[in-house]
Amino acid sequence: KQEVTQIPAALSVPEGENLVLNCSFTDSAIYNLQWFRQDPGKGLTSLLLIQSSQREQTSGRLNASLDKSSGRSTLYIAASQPGDSATYLCAVGVSSGSARQLTFGSGTQLTVLP
Amino acid sequence: DAGVTQSPTHLIKTRGQQVTLRCSPKSGHDTVSWYQQALGQGPQFIFQYYEEEERQRGNFPDRFSGHQFPNYSSELNVNALLLGDSALYLCASSGMNTIYFGEGSWLTVV
Repeated sequence: KQEVTQIPAALSVPEGENLVLNCSFTDSAIYNLQWFRQDPGKGLTSLLLIQSSQREQTSGRLNASLDKSSGRSTLYIAASQPGDSATYLCAVGVSSGSARQLTFGSGTQLTVLP
Repeated sequence: DAGVTQSPTHLIKTRGQQVTLRCSPKSGHDTVSWYQQALGQGPQFIFQYYEEEERQRGNFPDRFSGHQFPNYSSELNVNALLLGDSALYLCASSGMNTIYFGEGSWLTVV
């Protein structure tokens, strides 16, 4: 059974700092990995999608890496801003027959202090 | 272009009652998945619908059932509600390699 763990559970940093969020998964048989952002009481917004054959993806100040062999992914946020405050969720995509589903970690709650 | 829309946004039900949640997928998407997110936790996969059939189911009891209509919209039904069913229910629609989530339906069981 695939399990996804995110460390730390919560993180508070001053504005401008670079930071790294960690995600680990137990089964390397994934077809992709995604990082999502969730604001309080809201749905999920996809930030970055890494296919299983890729090593990293970048979007603006965000960079996500994937190491399937070690079952790890990191999300790097450069020059953090108060608007980055949210919960960040890591999800691995797994296939079962004709269906695909996401298995999520519990998230890292990020607070960026002005 | 409307994204994934869900209704209702919030609802309160009494233990033992039944609830129906609705989802309209993003235009062009034919696959709908439902997730349950308890407070402080990541979303848990309930089931996925494609071509009006349930294609995969997560570890949820039969009290949770669903339906997909010819226009790809979907419903999630939960019978005999328990206090533990209180959660945010998220609908996701997917295309080839993209997935979009709705804002969710907050269900409180009292």
